[in-house]
Amino acid sequence: DAKTTQPTSMDCAEGRAANLPCNHSTISGNEYVYWYRQIHSQGPQYIIHGLKNNETNEMASLIITEDRKSSTLILPHATLRDTAVYYCIVRVNKRGAGNTGKLIFGQGTTLQVKP
Amino acid sequence: GAGVSQSPRYKVAKRGQDVALRCDPISGHVSLFWYQQALGQGPEFLTYFQNEAQLDKSGLPSDRFFAERPEGSVSTLKIQRTQQEDSAVYLCASSPGTVNTEAFFGQGTRLTVV
Repeated sequence: DAKTTQPTSMDCAEGRAANLPCNHSTISGNEYVYWYRQIHSQGPQYIIHGLKNNETNEMASLIITEDRKSSTLILPHATLRDTAVYYCIVRVNKRGAGNTGKLIFGQGTTLQVKP
Repeated sequence: GAGVSQSPRYKVAKRGQDVALRCDPISGHVSLFWYQQALGQGPEFLTYFQNEAQLDKSGLPSDRFFAERPEGSVSTLKIQRTQQEDSAVYLCASSPGTVNTEAFFGQGTRLTVV
């Protein structure tokens, strides 16, 4: 089962920041937070990941709370092409018994960017 | 640049028919994953290969599902005696390393069993 909780859907105005929340209250110390998105009829696309520090790349920013029980993905200037399903996933990043690095997807948040 | 390539993009099978779905991962990628995505749902893990070794097949729903990666590159997912509940998008993903690297997904094969 997915270890994250996300809102089912959100709307955002084009050009504004999109803030997508995720709860992962049972996250373990060695688990990272990953974000992927899936645009209609395509495979999921990696966005960003982090452990406890905030992270930023060319696509987005990831803000993780100090207790690591929740996080927010920020798309600073949403465009119509950002309309997609966004998945928040927790994943162990170290090799260990039975750990294959597989991703456990939940239902995700459907983000609709509107003109 | 070549990404993960899957073929065919669409497949219609009659119930009871066998199907084979192909995945060409990014060259040199060690890890390969198969996922199944039903309509309106998130992808669900099926199986994992590290090079040619199938290290995790815990997600395969029944013994009708079989996957192989004999030379550690191209992989095939085979479904025998297809049933209507097998209708889904089958996604393949590859990663350059093991565990702590991002996964690159193909566009998937949409299987419809009639």
